Amino acid sequence: DQQVKQNSPSLSVQEGRISILNCDYTNSMFDYFLWYKKYPAEGPTFLISISSIKDKNEDGRFTVFLNKSAKHLSLHIVPSQPGDSAVYFCAASRSGSARQLTFGSGTQLTVLP
Amino acid sequence: DAGVIQSPRHEVTEMGQEVTLRCKPISGHDYLFWYRQTMMRGLELLIYFNNNVPIDDSGMPEDRFSAKMPNASFSTLKIQPSEPRDSAVYFCASSQQIYGYTFGSGTRLTVV
Repeated sequence: DQQVKQNSPSLSVQEGRISILNCDYTNSMFDYFLWYKKYPAEGPTFLISISSIKDKNEDGRFTVFLNKSAKHLSLHIVPSQPGDSAVYFCAASRSGSARQLTFGSGTQLTVLP
Repeated sequence: DAGVIQSPRHEVTEMGQEVTLRCKPISGHDYLFWYRQTMMRGLELLIYFNNNVPIDDSGMPEDRFSAKMPNASFSTLKIQPSEPRDSAVYFCASSQQIYGYTFGSGTRLTVV
């Protein structure tokens, strides 16, 4: 039973356009959400996070939106660059879970020049 | 800081053999996690330690899997005997601040 789902295994976007990566979760106890980026042959690296008390968090070209009622979050990258091509993992955690993160299966983003 | 160091980077072994994966966390980090990445299930948590003590091993798939952390600077994940379905990329991560995971580069395991 996957509690964090990324239903799109891949996404292709033209350079300069917006990339939107989606993530759904089922556990209503989750209260902290993160996005990680992973290049081939490297470990995932932290990108951006959001607490459940917020509905938006922005960091440069990256914005994460959280819709608690729909149990849905999304990552927007504007403008997309070829260097953004990577696998993006959504992750979630809940208070008191000792920092245990539950990850989605990932979305491969390809930004075309 | 060299980050989280995993070895080996690649491991190819025959079915039935014992495999040992190694991890050196970032100094000062008090949490250590072992994850497995597969195409079907993404990143799965296998086990994690706090101050060298295993806290939750419910993600370990079978008794063939075991993990140890004899000290704050070293952990191992062992599979004995290995099977082809164990083929995956295994990641180690460590953390000090809440939610601040740092991952290693992973070990790609192939069991033939």
